[in-house]
Amino acid sequence: QQQVKQSPQSLIVQKGGISIINCAYENTAFDYFPWYQQFPGKGPALLIAIRPDVSEKKEGRFTISFNKSAKQFSLHIMDSQPGDSATYFCAARNFNKFYFGSGTKLNVKP
Amino acid sequence: DGGITQSPKYLFRKEGQNVTLSCEQNLNHDAMYWYRQDPGQGLRLIYYSQIVNDFQKGDIAEGYSVSREKKESFPLTVTSAQKNPTAFYLCASNPGQGLGEQYFGPGTRLTVT
Repeated sequence: QQQVKQSPQSLIVQKGGISIINCAYENTAFDYFPWYQQFPGKGPALLIAIRPDVSEKKEGRFTISFNKSAKQFSLHIMDSQPGDSATYFCAARNFNKFYFGSGTKLNVKP
Repeated sequence: DGGITQSPKYLFRKEGQNVTLSCEQNLNHDAMYWYRQDPGQGLRLIYYSQIVNDFQKGDIAEGYSVSREKKESFPLTVTSAQKNPTAFYLCASNPGQGLGEQYFGPGTRLTVT
């Protein structure tokens, strides 16, 4: 079964809006939660990551919110731009193994 | 430049042929991984290796084989036993020891006809 559940599957946002992607997990052994951005035909690139002892991490327009008790974390993209249009994957690490969400295809309309 | 290289970018094979995908990293990472990605789908783990001369099956290992004879190299062979081999294959690495994030290569798109 999927260890990390991601929603929504696709998302359309107007330029300047906020994009929000959610992930949930069950395994409390996960100790690191990265987000990846993937453009068509390319490998995923690390965007931002958080550890479970931190509730929020911000890097530029990208913010991860982490709720340890609810076992949920989310990616917020502020002031979304057409160049942000890509597929986003959340992930969770248990020692050397990574578990990925199913991906969210984001389309930012100009 | 440190990173992960995969070659070739595009690969075409006839059904029934084995094919080997190359993955090399110069990040001095202990752990390496192979994932398969189908159109509009997430990443599925094929094999991973935490150290030289050792590797474990992932979720979809059937029809695939790997070797890890050198720290920097982790080639993947797609055998004729793989029923539906056409996909985008991604190699990744990680420092190991439960540290750090995973870094991905640019991928190889394999088409089998």
